[in-house]
Amino acid sequence: DVKVTQSSRYLVKRTGEKVFLECVQDMDHENMFWYRQDPGLGLRLIYFSYDVKMKEKGDIPEGYSVSREKKERFSLILESASTNQTSMYLCASSQTGTGYNEQFFGPGTRLTVL
Amino acid sequence: QQQVKQSPQSLIVQKGGISIINCAYENTAFDYFPWYQQFPGKGPALLIAIRPDVSEKKEGRFTISFNKSAKQFSLHIMDSQPGDSATYFCAAKAGNNRLAFGKGNQVVVIP
Repeated sequence: DVKVTQSSRYLVKRTGEKVFLECVQDMDHENMFWYRQDPGLGLRLIYFSYDVKMKEKGDIPEGYSVSREKKERFSLILESASTNQTSMYLCASSQTGTGYNEQFFGPGTRLTVL
Repeated sequence: QQQVKQSPQSLIVQKGGISIINCAYENTAFDYFPWYQQFPGKGPALLIAIRPDVSEKKEGRFTISFNKSAKQFSLHIMDSQPGDSATYFCAAKAGNNRLAFGKGNQVVVIP
């Protein structure tokens, strides 16, 4: 079974702190994604990566950056956390290729910025 | 701009009833339409998916109906059970491995 793990289930940070959210997948997937989930807004894509060291902006990249130094690991960075970044953050991975469409999600990290 | 519009936002169904969630899309380049199910405290997981060359797909009590001309697709949950209580997301994919998600629908099945 594909497993996507996220470094923390719950995280509390202060405004202005630098925050790192880590995601690891164990199925050698090429694609990895970071979403945030907010009530009434659904899943919104922040960034995604289709290969090591490659990244593309999603729909809401402002205030975030990402790093993918190894194929299995994709990190989301909040350079200076703000209260409006309080949210549930979900990581996902998928395989590239025709017929490979399913995204596998981690359990999420609930981040609170005070 | 929301590429996939989902309705209704929430749904309460009696046990044994039918739950129906609808989604509409605009981009005719979408070629894959999945539904994801999310339980509290968990990440979403793929429930069922369809390609636009078929009009219906059924897996157990879950059915996707697809109307290409209307650019709409829907999820039907037959004989709804309390264990089906979850948030359901429709999504659509074009060729670049990205999924565009709807806003989600909370389904509550009451005994």
